[in-house]
Amino acid sequence: NAGVTQTPKFRVLKTGQSMTLLCAQDMNHEYMYWYRQDPGMGLRLIHYSVGEGTTAKGEVPDGYNVSRLKKQNFLLGLESAAPSQTSVYFCASSYIGGLEAFFGQGTRLTVV
Amino acid sequence: EDKVVQSPLSLVVHEGDTVTLNCSYEVTNFRSLLWYKQEKKAPTFLFMLTSSGIEKKSGRLSSILDKKELFSILNITATQTGDSAIYLCAASRRGGSEKLVFGKGTKLTVNP
Repeated sequence: NAGVTQTPKFRVLKTGQSMTLLCAQDMNHEYMYWYRQDPGMGLRLIHYSVGEGTTAKGEVPDGYNVSRLKKQNFLLGLESAAPSQTSVYFCASSYIGGLEAFFGQGTRLTVV
Repeated sequence: EDKVVQSPLSLVVHEGDTVTLNCSYEVTNFRSLLWYKQEKKAPTFLFMLTSSGIEKKSGRLSSILDKKELFSILNITATQTGDSAIYLCAASRRGGSEKLVFGKGTKLTVNP
């Protein structure tokens, strides 16, 4: 079972470049989330989705956009990367919101 | 604003010690409290607590929730070096935005 798969696993961007992180889940979960994790900050929610075609802002949405065109996929976009977006990004999914969430392996993004 | 606070932020113990990790929360319309263990990569689920006073156990790990005092503890007995990890606590709310709000985590180091 693949569970939650994130691509890519590592990426280095130059300031101002754009990129898209892909999250795919094969558990038929309705809810999907994007978090970022910085040292000493825990996990902070960027955006989330409660079903196909829906998205909502989390705690730290600025500088990011998301799309959920298919139930199994949740994309996180950075239109113009900034050094402050250097972080580890985690995608997660859950069958019902607020209950057990399953996490992907993370994407380590460095913006120089 | 929903808030989850974990203490201590870091802890160093010797193998065989017993540790208690703390998590307090302030969440409107509280639904559940979850504990995760994070080693190198993705957080992995440990427990979900929804009712006060009912202990959940898994091997040497146990956890309990106090909904009156708004906190939870995670106990690890007879610690092993493999217990070294960041332990994350998260709370969720009912209705509307049913997302998880994470604390900053407790970094546990178990020395041989």
